[in-house]
Amino acid sequence: DAKTTQPNSMESNEEEPVHLPCNHSTISGTDYIHWYRQLPSQGPEYVIHGLTSNVNNRMASLAIAEDRKSSTLILHRATLRDAAVYYCILRDSHGSSNTGKLIFGQGTTLQVKP
Amino acid sequence: SQTIHQWPATLVQPVGSPLSLECTVEGTSNPNLYWYRQAAGRGLQLLFYSVGIGQISSEVPQNLSASRPQDRQFILSSKKLLLSDSGFYLCAWSVSKIRSGANVLTFGAGSRLTVL
Repeated sequence: DAKTTQPNSMESNEEEPVHLPCNHSTISGTDYIHWYRQLPSQGPEYVIHGLTSNVNNRMASLAIAEDRKSSTLILHRATLRDAAVYYCILRDSHGSSNTGKLIFGQGTTLQVKP
Repeated sequence: SQTIHQWPATLVQPVGSPLSLECTVEGTSNPNLYWYRQAAGRGLQLLFYSVGIGQISSEVPQNLSASRPQDRQFILSSKKLLLSDSGFYLCAWSVSKIRSGANVLTFGAGSRLTVL
């Protein structure tokens, strides 16, 4: 899987939007962009994923650059419960393997201030 | 709906003692199964994955082993624990689908192991 680059940490104020960036300049045409988050002392949870178009769900929005070399996870109104480590991961859909394994990087630690 | 169970949630073991962590998935069949470890203050490291009964792939050389005796059961074991085996162990599952980058992993609640 291609590599992603994220800032180590970010801060946000409660009830304000948060934009978490991810660079993936070596992304291939068949790579999906996935976001997971890990709250303290819990396992990671799926947030959102996309291929080319922007995506929205109940948790967040994913904005994908036109050249797909970067993406941004958007939390529209941060709450204290959103404080977590956010991971941006590329998943290859091409190839014969069905292992489905995810390789996590260091992610971005998001702090939310009241 | 699918659920994943992992136990025990917490355990403290002496160095040299054996280990067995168990993970089961309900509500699906033939899932891909994974064991991850997170050492204190570190990132998530993939230890093992399995695409079927008896099929185990190891990602890193280590003191641990994994087994999949049944379709929805995944076990992490050690014969003799080391201090460095301490950490947060996470089991996860996904659907088994060839050429699908959209497959999502669902994680269990984790097992926190302290080796003294």
